[in-house]
Amino acid sequence: SQTIHQWPATLVQPVGSPLSLECTVEGTSNPNLYWYRQAAGRGLQLLFYSVGIGQISSEVPQNLSASRPQDRQFILSSKKLLLSDSGFYLCAWERTSYEQYFGPGTRLTVT
Amino acid sequence: AQTVTQSQPEMSVQEAETVTLSCTYDTSESDYYLFWYKQPPSRQMILVIRQEAYKQQNATENRFSVNFQKAAKSFSLKISDSQLGDAAMYFCAYFTYNTDKLIFGTGTRLQVFP
Repeated sequence: SQTIHQWPATLVQPVGSPLSLECTVEGTSNPNLYWYRQAAGRGLQLLFYSVGIGQISSEVPQNLSASRPQDRQFILSSKKLLLSDSGFYLCAWERTSYEQYFGPGTRLTVT
Repeated sequence: AQTVTQSQPEMSVQEAETVTLSCTYDTSESDYYLFWYKQPPSRQMILVIRQEAYKQQNATENRFSVNFQKAAKSFSLKISDSQLGDAAMYFCAYFTYNTDKLIFGTGTRLQVFP
């Protein structure tokens, strides 16, 4: 069966520090992968999606970036965090029937 | 542009009763998918049910069922025999081949009272 992992689960970082969040999927190959952000009490905002290694599409201009160095690995990064980057970050993978399955998420607090 | 609207920020239901959560969407596409996701306090998004737009029959998953009205662009979720564990945020979402993205509504917080 397929599983999706995210780490870390919780992160507190100062403004201006770098960021690296990792997402990995097991039990499938060449999945479409997605990064979402959820602000407190809000819906999900799509940040990036990837249909294959090295293929990244950005939805929202911001100081975040994404990379896909391996088939089942998706990384969200920033060189310098802003206060507005605080939120809950969710990674998802897409099954063939257009269903997306989400990881447990990372709660990021920028101080 | 496609949009998804959930007009009920909060709903409440008594245990064992039935509750219906509303969702409307705006699209010019004829072929698409609709989903309901549940987000419990742990905040992990869980897929509850899906509906293909080309299917007239409403989807059902145990106590969860939908009322899909394609002409009205309406997609409501009915939860029967509500349980305390159903308490969560519920998000309606829309997917189309053209954009290859899920578009989410703003969510409805469901409270279940014993």
